[in-house]
Amino acid sequence: DQQVKQNSPSLSVQEGRISILNCDYTNSMFDYFLWYKKYPAEGPTFLISISSIKDKNEDGRFTVFLNKSAKHLSLHIVPSQPGDSAVYFCAASAQISGTYKYIFGTGTRLKVLA
Amino acid sequence: ETGVTQTPRHLVMGMTNKKSLKCEQHLGHNAMYWYKQSAKKPLELMFVYSLEERVENNSVPSRFSPECPNSSHLFLHLHTLQPEDSALYLCASSQDSPGFYGYTFGSGTRLTVV
Repeated sequence: DQQVKQNSPSLSVQEGRISILNCDYTNSMFDYFLWYKKYPAEGPTFLISISSIKDKNEDGRFTVFLNKSAKHLSLHIVPSQPGDSAVYFCAASAQISGTYKYIFGTGTRLKVLA
Repeated sequence: ETGVTQTPRHLVMGMTNKKSLKCEQHLGHNAMYWYKQSAKKPLELMFVYSLEERVENNSVPSRFSPECPNSSHLFLHLHTLQPEDSALYLCASSQDSPGFYGYTFGSGTRLTVV
């Protein structure tokens, strides 16, 4: 049973437009939500996060929105740039049996077209 | 050198071979992790070490054997693997409670079992 789901395996967006990546979760005990970006042949790199007590966090072109009632997380990239083309993973964390665990989604491949 | 370094980057091994993956972090973190990434699947947590003590073994087959000699180094010893074990193996490190800041990942080892 997947606790964190990214239902869109891929997304194409024109340069300069908004990219919206979505993530759904099932466990209301998650307390942090994160987005990672992964280029080919590299490990995932941390992009932006949000605490469960907030509904929005912004960092430059990247904004993460959290809707706790819908158990939904989204990442907005405005404006999108060709260098943003990568696989984006959402992750949710909770302390389980004394250990902090992150549960990852399957990723969404974003392609920004020049 | 900074960050999390994994070697080798690529590894091809036969089912009867024994090999080891190495991970080194220079961030002063006290927790280290092994993750497995298979195609179209979420990142799967394999092992967690906190302060050099294994705190999590996520039902991983015994043909995978982790070792953490100190807080900067983590190994994954492999023996008698199966072709379905072919995947990207990612090492990560964090402070003990990563929470808002997540993990720092290495670039991974692409393992092919033939």
